[in-house]
Amino acid sequence: KAGVTQTPRYLIKTRGQQVTLSCSPISGHRSVSWYQQTPGQGLQFLFEYFSETQRNKGNFPGRFSGRQFSNSRSEMNVSTLELGDSALYLCASSLDSINEKLFFGSGTQLSVL
Amino acid sequence: AQSVTQLDSQVPVFEEAPVELRCNYSSSVSVYLFWYVQYPNQGLQLLLKYLSGSTLVKGINGFEAEFNKSQTSFHLRKPSVHISDTAEYFCAVSVAGGTSYGKLTFGQGTILTVHP
Repeated sequence: KAGVTQTPRYLIKTRGQQVTLSCSPISGHRSVSWYQQTPGQGLQFLFEYFSETQRNKGNFPGRFSGRQFSNSRSEMNVSTLELGDSALYLCASSLDSINEKLFFGSGTQLSVL
Repeated sequence: AQSVTQLDSQVPVFEEAPVELRCNYSSSVSVYLFWYVQYPNQGLQLLLKYLSGSTLVKGINGFEAEFNKSQTSFHLRKPSVHISDTAEYFCAVSVAGGTSYGKLTFGQGTILTVHP
């Protein structure tokens, strides 16, 4: 069974640009969560989607958005990039509930110059 | 709100020695508790979780953790570590009861370095 796949693996952007990151969950998993990981702030929850609906959201500005498609694949978008958005963005999938294991992808390393 | 404190940012240990990674949490509601491991350039992998029941939880790779409600702790232990255990370890909590929907609150991580 294939794991969680995130693309691209590395991304370099400049301030003011926007970026879209992609996540394909494990087959059969309907919940997709996104996290930002930085050396200073650690791992922070961005949002979670289930059956194309956002069920939960962290404390990030509106420049961070996401969506989920009918096949459970998810994308997150960051508009008007800032230097502080440089981070490893991790996607995790699960069958549904938080009782289940969250399976994490290897992440997308975003560098904003 | 929930918070997690991992008391040691780095733990060096020799191979085959025992290790304990400490985690304390704060929450006004019941929580579920987790330990994840992150190897370099990889995502996180679940080691073990506590939802309810026995306070001693056994996980993968020989790790175990004990939930102590009175001390609000969830320390991770391994009786004998290997070089391959070198990684960063994260303690995390979520609100119990099914409304967390993917949201885990993580500690800052503990880097475990196993020396030969």
